[in-house]
Amino acid sequence: GESVGLHLPTLSVQEGDNSIINCAYSNSASDYFIWYKQESGKGPQFIIDIRSNMDKRQGQRVTVLLNKTVKHLSLQIAATQPGDSAVYFCAENIGSNTGKLIFGQGTTLQVKP
Amino acid sequence: NAGVTQTPKFQVLKTGQSMTLQCAQDMNHNSMYWYRQDPGMGLRLIYYSASEGTTDKGEVPNGYNVSRLNKREFSLRLESAAPSQTSVYFCASRPATSGRDNEQFFGPGTRLTVL
Repeated sequence: GESVGLHLPTLSVQEGDNSIINCAYSNSASDYFIWYKQESGKGPQFIIDIRSNMDKRQGQRVTVLLNKTVKHLSLQIAATQPGDSAVYFCAENIGSNTGKLIFGQGTTLQVKP
Repeated sequence: NAGVTQTPKFQVLKTGQSMTLQCAQDMNHNSMYWYRQDPGMGLRLIYYSASEGTTDKGEVPNGYNVSRLNKREFSLRLESAAPSQTSVYFCASRPATSGRDNEQFFGPGTRLTVL
């Protein structure tokens, strides 16, 4: 069955450094992925998405890379700030037009001042 | 716009009690979803409603029922609560009924404890 997994449960970085959060997926037919940020006590918040016909997409300070050959995607955060401290989830669209998502377990990003 | 709202924010139940979690969105979205999130885990889909008048099971539907009351509201009911249903419940909505590339907007969550 489908599964989405993150490589590391916790990532600790120094303020100002770049962060890279990784995610592996198992369904080679998956064609749409989303990264969410979840701050303590809040619901997930959309960061960026990518379709399988792309291998890179950039937003404001964030970049998502998709490697379909090894079924891996990553979220890169440039110049990490204290406000970036949160749990980050990758999610895979599995339901064609229904929008159903499978979420990974999450990586906690800790930013040290 | 308030976005996606959920009530209550917190709830404590005893085993066997029933309750309904309420969700409403004011963004005129067609699709709505209920997830649960257990400690240290990602979100798992309980039920969803692709459009008004339709509901379907997700990954973990057992012990739950849903009602899409109208386009705005999507409720989740626990008929006989069990300790295994202790979790944080999130409601989400999505603009379209078709197309893969639409993000889901999440509510703030309901924290449920079943004793």
